[in-house]
Amino acid sequence: EDQVTQSPEALRLQEGESSSLNCSYTVSGLRGLFWYRQDPGKGPEFLFTLYSAGEEKEKERLKATLTKKESFLHITAPKPEDSATYLCAVQGSSNTGKLIFGQGTTLQVKP
Amino acid sequence: GAGVSQSPSNKVTEKGKDVELRCDPISGHTALYWYRQSLGQGLEFLIYFQGNSAPDKSGLPSDRFSAERTGGSVSTLTIQRTQQEDSAVYLCASSPRLADTQYFGPGTRLTVL
Repeated sequence: EDQVTQSPEALRLQEGESSSLNCSYTVSGLRGLFWYRQDPGKGPEFLFTLYSAGEEKEKERLKATLTKKESFLHITAPKPEDSATYLCAVQGSSNTGKLIFGQGTTLQVKP
Repeated sequence: GAGVSQSPSNKVTEKGKDVELRCDPISGHTALYWYRQSLGQGLEFLIYFQGNSAPDKSGLPSDRFSAERTGGSVSTLTIQRTQQEDSAVYLCASSPRLADTQYFGPGTRLTVL
């Protein structure tokens, strides 16, 4: 069964304190791994798609990496506006487009 | 350009009533998806459409749930005889083609009293 586990559940950082969020997954035939950001009361906002082990993508202070069993979202010198819940999802080989989501990591960055 | 839109943004209903939730996908996106986000449960996949067709309805929680899509665009998720456990945020997403990156709408928060 396809499964995604994110850790930690919650993370508090001081502004400028870099850290990483983890997403461990098991899936039969990975078609893609997705990172989304979700602010309270809003829908998930797309950040990155990773397709194969070794791939990396960056956007501003965020960098996503992928191995065969996990993905990391590295946050460099975060700012308070980076506070949000970060969701990881995988898409398997079933060709339905179905995304399996983790429970998310809620990040709070204090000034 | 315009993103995915959903209406209503909030819906409060009484147990046993029927509700309809609407999703307008990004123009030109052929694939459309419905998810449910419950407190502490994460996002749960419900159903997808390729064009107007929904090949797999097994993700729908019960036969009280149904969905349709017309004209390859707007989709409606209908919940009949609502129960309190149906209370959740219902999210719609669309993608250019099936299995492409999905873009989400703001969701409809459903509260069943």
